[in-house]
Amino acid sequence: GENVEQHPSTLSVQEGDSAVIKCTYSDSASNYFPWYKQELGKRPQLIIDIRSNVGEKKDQRIAVTLNKTAKHFSLHITETQPEDSAVYFCAANTNAGKSTFGDGTTLTVKP
Amino acid sequence: DSGVTQTPKHLITATGQRVTLRCSPRSGDLSVYWYQQSLDQGLQFLIHYYNGEERAKGNILERFSAQQFPDLHSELNLSSLELGDSALYFCASSPQRSLYGYTFGSGTRLTVV
Repeated sequence: GENVEQHPSTLSVQEGDSAVIKCTYSDSASNYFPWYKQELGKRPQLIIDIRSNVGEKKDQRIAVTLNKTAKHFSLHITETQPEDSAVYFCAANTNAGKSTFGDGTTLTVKP
Repeated sequence: DSGVTQTPKHLITATGQRVTLRCSPRSGDLSVYWYQQSLDQGLQFLIHYYNGEERAKGNILERFSAQQFPDLHSELNLSSLELGDSALYFCASSPQRSLYGYTFGSGTRLTVV
Protein backbone atom coordinates (compact mmCIF):
# COMPACT_ATOMS: atom_id res chain seq x y z
CA GLY A 1 0.00 0.00 0.00
CA GLU A 2 0.84 3.66 -0.07
CA ASN A 3 3.50 4.93 2.30
CA VAL A 4 4.04 8.65 2.93
CA GLU A 5 7.17 9.80 4.72
CA GLN A 6 7.25 13.33 6.14
CA HIS A 7 10.29 15.25 7.35
CA PRO A 8 11.22 16.80 9.64
CA SER A 9 9.06 15.65 12.54
CA THR A 10 9.73 18.91 14.39
CA LEU A 11 10.82 22.28 13.06
CA SER A 12 11.59 25.44 14.96
CA VAL A 13 12.13 28.76 13.17
CA GLN A 14 12.37 32.43 14.08
CA GLU A 15 9.48 34.67 13.17
CA GLY A 16 9.99 35.99 9.65
CA ASP A 17 12.10 33.04 8.50
CA SER A 18 10.94 30.43 6.00
CA ALA A 19 9.89 26.87 6.80
CA VAL A 20 10.02 23.87 4.48
CA ILE A 21 8.39 20.50 5.08
CA LYS A 22 9.03 17.60 2.71
CA CYS A 23 7.09 14.45 1.90
CA THR A 24 7.77 11.45 -0.26
CA TYR A 25 5.22 8.89 -1.39
CA SER A 26 5.50 5.40 -2.78
CA ASP A 27 2.36 4.77 -4.86
CA SER A 28 2.76 6.06 -8.39
CA ALA A 29 -1.05 6.09 -8.68
CA SER A 30 -1.22 8.98 -6.21
CA ASN A 31 -2.34 12.09 -8.06
CA TYR A 32 -3.62 14.55 -5.48
CA PHE A 33 -1.57 15.99 -2.62
CA PRO A 34 -3.26 18.08 0.05
CA TRP A 35 -1.68 19.72 3.10
CA TYR A 36 -3.49 20.15 6.41
CA LYS A 37 -2.78 22.33 9.43
CA GLN A 38 -3.87 21.15 12.86
CA GLU A 39 -3.70 23.56 15.77
CA LEU A 40 -3.60 22.14 19.26
CA GLY A 41 -6.90 20.56 20.22
CA LYS A 42 -8.54 21.42 16.92
CA ARG A 43 -9.49 19.64 13.72
CA PRO A 44 -7.14 19.43 10.72
CA GLN A 45 -7.86 22.07 8.11
CA LEU A 46 -6.94 22.02 4.44
CA ILE A 47 -4.52 24.83 3.67
CA ILE A 48 -3.34 24.08 0.15
CA ASP A 49 -3.38 21.25 -2.36
CA ILE A 50 -1.81 20.29 -5.66
CA ARG A 51 -2.79 17.90 -8.41
CA SER A 52 -0.38 15.75 -10.37
CA ASN A 53 -0.60 17.81 -13.55
CA VAL A 54 0.79 20.88 -11.76
CA GLY A 55 4.33 21.42 -10.56
CA GLU A 56 3.81 24.34 -8.20
CA LYS A 57 0.98 26.23 -6.54
CA LYS A 58 1.10 29.33 -4.38
CA ASP A 59 -1.37 31.01 -2.05
CA GLN A 60 -0.04 34.12 -0.35
CA ARG A 61 2.70 32.99 2.06
CA ILE A 62 2.36 29.27 1.41
CA ALA A 63 3.39 27.29 -1.63
CA VAL A 64 3.55 23.64 -2.57
CA THR A 65 5.84 22.01 -5.12
CA LEU A 66 5.52 18.56 -6.65
CA ASN A 67 8.10 16.40 -8.37
CA LYS A 68 6.21 13.39 -9.71
CA THR A 69 9.30 11.72 -11.11
CA ALA A 70 11.00 11.71 -7.74
CA LYS A 71 7.69 11.26 -5.85
CA HIS A 72 8.44 14.27 -3.69
CA PHE A 73 6.27 17.19 -2.66
CA SER A 74 7.03 20.04 -0.30
CA LEU A 75 5.29 22.79 1.65
CA HIS A 76 6.96 26.18 1.84
CA ILE A 77 5.89 28.86 4.30
CA THR A 78 7.52 32.25 3.96
CA GLU A 79 7.62 35.12 6.45
CA THR A 80 6.47 32.83 9.23
CA GLN A 81 4.34 34.20 12.06
CA PRO A 82 3.63 32.82 15.54
CA GLU A 83 0.12 31.83 14.41
CA ASP A 84 1.70 29.45 11.89
CA SER A 85 2.72 27.27 14.84
CA ALA A 86 0.82 23.99 14.46
CA VAL A 87 1.16 20.43 13.26
CA TYR A 88 1.24 20.11 9.49
CA PHE A 89 0.24 16.93 7.67
CA CYS A 90 0.86 16.04 4.07
CA ALA A 91 -1.27 13.43 2.31
CA ALA A 92 -1.30 11.49 -0.94
CA ASN A 93 -4.58 10.50 -2.55
CA THR A 94 -5.38 8.02 -5.29
CA ASN A 95 -8.36 7.70 -7.60
CA ALA A 96 -9.39 4.66 -5.57
CA GLY A 97 -10.43 7.03 -2.81
CA LYS A 98 -7.71 6.27 -0.31
CA SER A 99 -5.77 9.06 1.38
CA THR A 100 -2.57 8.30 3.23
CA PHE A 101 -1.25 10.91 5.65
CA GLY A 102 2.31 11.58 6.70
CA ASP A 103 3.12 11.45 10.40
CA GLY A 104 3.05 15.22 10.77
CA THR A 105 5.52 18.03 11.41
CA THR A 106 5.28 20.15 14.53
CA LEU A 107 6.22 23.68 13.51
CA THR A 108 7.11 26.20 16.20
CA VAL A 109 7.59 29.83 15.22
CA LYS A 110 9.46 31.76 17.89
CA PRO A 111 8.65 35.46 18.23
CA ASP B 1 -18.18 25.47 12.06
CA SER B 2 -16.83 23.32 9.24
CA GLY B 3 -20.22 21.91 8.24
CA VAL B 4 -19.23 18.38 9.28
CA THR B 5 -21.00 17.42 12.49
CA GLN B 6 -19.72 14.74 14.81
CA THR B 7 -21.50 13.49 17.90
CA PRO B 8 -20.84 13.00 20.69
CA LYS B 9 -17.88 15.31 21.33
CA HIS B 10 -16.70 13.27 24.29
CA LEU B 11 -17.34 9.69 25.31
CA ILE B 12 -16.09 7.80 28.36
CA THR B 13 -16.78 4.10 28.54
CA ALA B 14 -15.46 0.93 30.11
CA THR B 15 -13.39 -1.81 28.53
CA GLY B 16 -15.45 -4.42 26.74
CA GLN B 17 -18.23 -2.02 25.90
CA ARG B 18 -19.57 -0.96 22.50
CA VAL B 19 -20.05 2.60 21.26
CA THR B 20 -21.34 4.31 18.14
CA LEU B 21 -19.89 7.52 16.77
CA ARG B 22 -21.97 9.56 14.38
CA CYS B 23 -21.03 11.88 11.53
CA SER B 24 -23.08 14.13 9.29
CA PRO B 25 -21.12 15.27 6.26
CA ARG B 26 -21.11 18.77 4.83
CA SER B 27 -24.15 19.48 2.68
CA GLY B 28 -23.60 18.10 -0.81
CA ASP B 29 -20.61 15.94 0.08
CA LEU B 30 -20.97 12.29 -0.89
CA SER B 31 -17.75 10.91 0.61
CA VAL B 32 -17.20 10.23 4.30
CA TYR B 33 -13.87 9.19 5.80
CA TRP B 34 -13.04 8.04 9.30
CA TYR B 35 -9.64 8.60 10.93
CA GLN B 36 -8.19 7.69 14.31
CA GLN B 37 -5.71 10.00 16.02
CA SER B 38 -4.07 8.74 19.18
CA LEU B 39 -2.21 11.06 21.56
CA ASP B 40 0.69 12.74 19.75
CA GLN B 41 0.12 10.49 16.77
CA GLY B 42 -0.73 11.04 13.17
CA LEU B 43 -4.00 10.40 11.39
CA GLN B 44 -4.67 6.74 10.78
CA PHE B 45 -7.11 6.08 7.96
CA LEU B 46 -9.87 3.69 8.94
CA ILE B 47 -12.48 3.60 6.17
CA HIS B 48 -14.03 5.56 3.29
CA TYR B 49 -17.63 5.51 2.11
CA TYR B 50 -18.94 7.09 -1.06
CA ASN B 51 -22.67 7.55 -1.58
CA GLY B 52 -23.51 4.65 0.70
CA GLU B 53 -20.90 2.19 -0.51
CA GLU B 54 -17.58 1.24 1.05
CA ARG B 55 -14.74 2.51 -1.18
CA ALA B 56 -11.54 1.88 0.69
CA LYS B 57 -10.36 0.34 3.94
CA GLY B 58 -7.33 1.19 5.97
CA ASN B 59 -6.01 -0.41 9.13
CA ILE B 60 -9.44 -0.86 10.65
CA LEU B 61 -9.73 -3.52 13.33
CA GLU B 62 -12.27 -6.30 12.96
CA ARG B 63 -13.89 -5.02 16.17
CA PHE B 64 -14.68 -1.80 14.33
CA SER B 65 -17.30 -1.37 11.62
CA ALA B 66 -18.93 1.49 9.81
CA GLN B 67 -21.74 2.28 7.45
CA GLN B 68 -23.13 5.19 5.49
CA PHE B 69 -26.88 5.60 5.35
CA PRO B 70 -29.12 6.83 2.49
CA ASP B 71 -29.17 10.32 3.98
CA LEU B 72 -25.33 10.17 3.79
CA HIS B 73 -24.66 10.33 7.50
CA SER B 74 -22.23 7.72 8.74
CA GLU B 75 -21.72 5.76 11.91
CA LEU B 76 -18.56 4.15 13.24
CA ASN B 77 -19.19 1.25 15.61
CA LEU B 78 -16.45 0.25 18.04
CA SER B 79 -16.96 -2.94 20.03
CA SER B 80 -15.11 -4.95 22.69
CA LEU B 81 -13.31 -1.74 23.55
CA GLU B 82 -9.77 -1.85 24.87
CA LEU B 83 -7.72 0.81 26.67
CA GLY B 84 -5.69 1.28 23.50
CA ASP B 85 -8.78 2.37 21.58
CA SER B 86 -8.75 5.64 23.49
CA ALA B 87 -8.23 8.28 20.84
CA LEU B 88 -9.70 11.17 18.91
CA TYR B 89 -11.86 9.90 16.06
CA PHE B 90 -12.31 12.28 13.17
CA CYS B 91 -14.83 12.15 10.41
CA ALA B 92 -14.16 14.06 7.21
CA SER B 93 -16.18 14.61 4.06
CA SER B 94 -15.50 15.62 0.48
CA PRO B 95 -17.62 16.22 -2.61
CA GLN B 96 -16.40 13.31 -4.69
CA ARG B 97 -14.60 9.99 -4.39
CA SER B 98 -11.13 11.40 -4.72
CA LEU B 99 -8.97 14.33 -5.76
CA TYR B 100 -10.59 16.75 -3.35
CA GLY B 101 -9.45 17.97 0.03
CA TYR B 102 -11.36 16.93 3.09
CA THR B 103 -13.39 18.97 5.51
CA PHE B 104 -12.93 17.54 8.98
CA GLY B 105 -15.37 17.50 11.83
CA SER B 106 -14.31 18.49 15.33
CA GLY B 107 -13.85 14.88 16.35
CA THR B 108 -15.10 12.57 19.07
CA ARG B 109 -12.73 12.03 21.96
CA LEU B 110 -13.13 8.48 23.20
CA THR B 111 -11.73 7.49 26.57
CA VAL B 112 -11.82 3.83 27.53
CA VAL B 113 -11.32 3.20 31.25
